[in-house]
Amino acid sequence: DTAVSQTPKYLVTQMGNDKSIKCEQNLGHDTMYWYKQDSKKFLKIMFSYNNKELIINETVPNRFSPKSPDKAHLNLHINSLELGDSAVYFCASSQDKGSPSGNTIYFGEGSWLTVV
Amino acid sequence: AQTVTQSQPEMSVQEAETVTLSCTYDTSESNYYLFWYKQPPSRQMILVIRQEAYKQQNATENRFSVNFQKAAKSFSLKISDSQLGDTAMYFCAFMKHGTSGSRLTFGEGTQLTVNP
Repeated sequence: DTAVSQTPKYLVTQMGNDKSIKCEQNLGHDTMYWYKQDSKKFLKIMFSYNNKELIINETVPNRFSPKSPDKAHLNLHINSLELGDSAVYFCASSQDKGSPSGNTIYFGEGSWLTVV
Repeated sequence: AQTVTQSQPEMSVQEAETVTLSCTYDTSESNYYLFWYKQPPSRQMILVIRQEAYKQQNATENRFSVNFQKAAKSFSLKISDSQLGDTAMYFCAFMKHGTSGSRLTFGEGTQLTVNP
């Protein structure tokens, strides 16, 4: 079973469209994240949710809206897609407190978004 | 703010030999975690090894070990008996201890190629 799974893995879409990426983790973790990896492979955090509550919101355009229906799911919705949004988006999770693995972040396989 | 620097954009090693990847970081924190992640061509982010800053003993995971020098703020990764499957981008990452919504600060990455 995949611990952190995200769909779709590949997404090609036109500028101006709205798209969503879904993420689910079956590790029982209480914190989930979205990271973005740009064309130079630099990774940077976008959002973090702890028990459905937004706790990290980096300087990200408000066209990006995360939604966490429960602590096992964190979806990313992107409005009015732009060419510069092309990247690999990684979902991740961790158990921040009371865990032997303490704060270790586990990543999904990534979603390759290409905006044309 | 924390910064992580990987000064070797690319490295290569012959199969079965040993290679060391460098990482330095800058922080005013005294308690934190350090990680090495591996990203093969599939783009999946795979945890290689983890070190807690309060532990003096260097972490090891099979063929992977670290040389953690806290005073020098250095965290290098040694790969012994290199295998073709070790070919990947390797990212060094820093995380503050005990914060809600832990965030990873990544270095720029080192592309390692293992040659047959």
